[in-house]
Amino acid sequence: SQTIHQWPATLVQPVGSPLSLECTVEGTSNPNLYWYRQAAGRGLQLLFYSVGIGQISSEVPQNLSASRPQDRQFILSSKKLLLSDSGFYLCAWSVGPAYGYTFGSGTRLTVV
Amino acid sequence: ILNVEQSPQSLHVQEGDSTNFTCSFPSSNFYALHWYRWETAKSPEALFVMTLNGDEKKKGRISATLNTKEGYSYLYIKGSQPEDSATYLCALKLIFGTGTRLQVFP
Repeated sequence: SQTIHQWPATLVQPVGSPLSLECTVEGTSNPNLYWYRQAAGRGLQLLFYSVGIGQISSEVPQNLSASRPQDRQFILSSKKLLLSDSGFYLCAWSVGPAYGYTFGSGTRLTVV
Repeated sequence: ILNVEQSPQSLHVQEGDSTNFTCSFPSSNFYALHWYRWETAKSPEALFVMTLNGDEKKKGRISATLNTKEGYSYLYIKGSQPEDSATYLCALKLIFGTGTRLQVFP
């Protein structure tokens, strides 16, 4: 069966520090991978998605970047965090747009 | 930019009440609509994937309908229970609505 792992669960980082959140999927090949964020009081916002290794689509201009170095690994990064980067980050995978997402357990990021 | 709207934003009901909420979307270029249930401190859980106009899906006390011509989907919960308390999200083409937060009081 397919599983998705996301870590860490919580993170408190100072402004200006770097960020690396990792997501891995097991039990499937060539998944579509996604990073979403929920900022305080807002809905889920799509940040990045990837349909294959090295293929990253960015949905909103921001202080973040994403990489897919391996088929089942998706990394969200920042060189210098801003206060506005605080939020709940969710990684998800899907086999395609007609199918639902399976979400990771999320990372609560607080930038102080 | 695709606009997916959900209403109401929040809902408080008594245990045993039935309730429903709405997801609205542009009717052109419809592909598939997803409903999710999101409990606090957990990750969203898929409820339904709906693809055809007139689709009706059911899982226990929860059901959903789809009207692609007029651009809406309804989610119904029959006989709400406290454990139904969660945020219910709909999504279309990678875009999520802001959700309906349901609270069921015993």
